[in-house]
Amino acid sequence: DGGITQSPKYLFRKEGQNVTLSCEQNLNHDAMYWYRQDPGQGLRLIYYSQIVNDFQKGDIAEGYSVSREKKESFPLTVTSAQKNPTAFYLCASSPQTGRGNYGYTFGSGTRLTVV
Amino acid sequence: KNEVEQSPQNLTAQEGEFITINCSYSVGISALHWLQQHPGGGIVSLFMLSSGKKKHGRLIATINIQEKHSSLHITASHPRDSAVYICAVMRAQKLVFGQGTRLTINP
Repeated sequence: DGGITQSPKYLFRKEGQNVTLSCEQNLNHDAMYWYRQDPGQGLRLIYYSQIVNDFQKGDIAEGYSVSREKKESFPLTVTSAQKNPTAFYLCASSPQTGRGNYGYTFGSGTRLTVV
Repeated sequence: KNEVEQSPQNLTAQEGEFITINCSYSVGISALHWLQQHPGGGIVSLFMLSSGKKKHGRLIATINIQEKHSSLHITASHPRDSAVYICAVMRAQKLVFGQGTRLTINP
């Protein structure tokens, strides 16, 4: 079955360390997204990519980096510059149909705790 | 003020009750999504709509573009419906999310 796989589900890191969260999709979707979720807040967009080898900053990109070397993969690195990295991170994808509306598929998320 | 506001933030009901969750937004949109997030964190897309009404099983979603308002209804609610329900609007090809409504259905 097609879908999005995020790994790991839980991740613990020491303060000051970089950490990379994995996101893989086999839906042949062009667009991929990373969101951050904090308690009591809506999901916020970190980065998105509409095509391989291209990505754009979202609303809260500071302290994060991404790459899109393959259509299927969109890993997110949480760097030591991110001041408050403990959060729930969700990856999503959607087909890119120009100006048309399209559905999103979400992963199961990675809960990152920095100690 | 958030661009997308949901109400109520928390809702507890008894099994069998009719549930309504509301979503209001302040910007022009091309579509609105209703999403369901279970305790494990994964999100499932329930509906995407740009006008009128959609129904899937016991779930019904409506949208009024002129009033910038959408509702999600659950008929004959069941404890397995307990989850966080999230409204998100599509603006400039990006989703803007509400804070979510935590629904608890007691047996």
